[in-house]
Amino acid sequence: GENVEQHPSTLSVQEGDSAVIKCTYSDSASNYFPWYKQELGKGPQLIIDIRSNVGEKKDQRIAVTLNKTAKHFSLHITETQPEDSAVYFCAASRGNAGNMLTFGGGTRLMVKP
Amino acid sequence: NAGVTQTPKFQVLKTGQSMTLQCAQDMNHEYMSWYRQDPGMGLRLIHYSVGAGITDQGEVPNGYNVSRSTTEDFPLRLLSAAPSQTSVYFCASSYGLHQETQYFGPGTRLLVL
Repeated sequence: GENVEQHPSTLSVQEGDSAVIKCTYSDSASNYFPWYKQELGKGPQLIIDIRSNVGEKKDQRIAVTLNKTAKHFSLHITETQPEDSAVYFCAASRGNAGNMLTFGGGTRLMVKP
Repeated sequence: NAGVTQTPKFQVLKTGQSMTLQCAQDMNHEYMSWYRQDPGMGLRLIHYSVGAGITDQGEVPNGYNVSRSTTEDFPLRLLSAAPSQTSVYFCASSYGLHQETQYFGPGTRLLVL
């Protein structure tokens, strides 16, 4: 089955700096890659996703890049703010797997004011 | 809309006890699923349903049962709780059945002694 690895497990940045979280996946048939943000005591919330026919997608301060050949994708957050502090999860899904997602282990991002 | 709701928020069980975790959504979503979240392991799919009367196993189904008699509700049953089932449980739903945005509930924290 699919295996998703996520690094780093914790990341501390200064407010205004950029943060990058990286994920690798094992199943070359995976073609959908969402990113979820989980705030303390809450359920995960989708922040951005990318499909395998696109190499990069951007939404304001958040961007995701995908390298299908290397089987890795990354989340980039620019101009970080204290409210960006949360746990971030990457996930992957195969085209014939319906809504089934395989999640990475999560990254705890701390943005210091 | 209340979105995805889960009850209870927190539960303590003794080994061997049974209980049902409740999940409901008011968005008329066809797809519903249950995940467990353990430290460093991300979220792992337990069971899912693509519509009323249809359920299937995910990655870690052992020790759990589900049923879906209505579109709105998707309860998760632990028949004989074990300490290994200590975890945070999340219910999620999505409108479509294929790589759609999943909306998560606030979670149920379960401690099995």
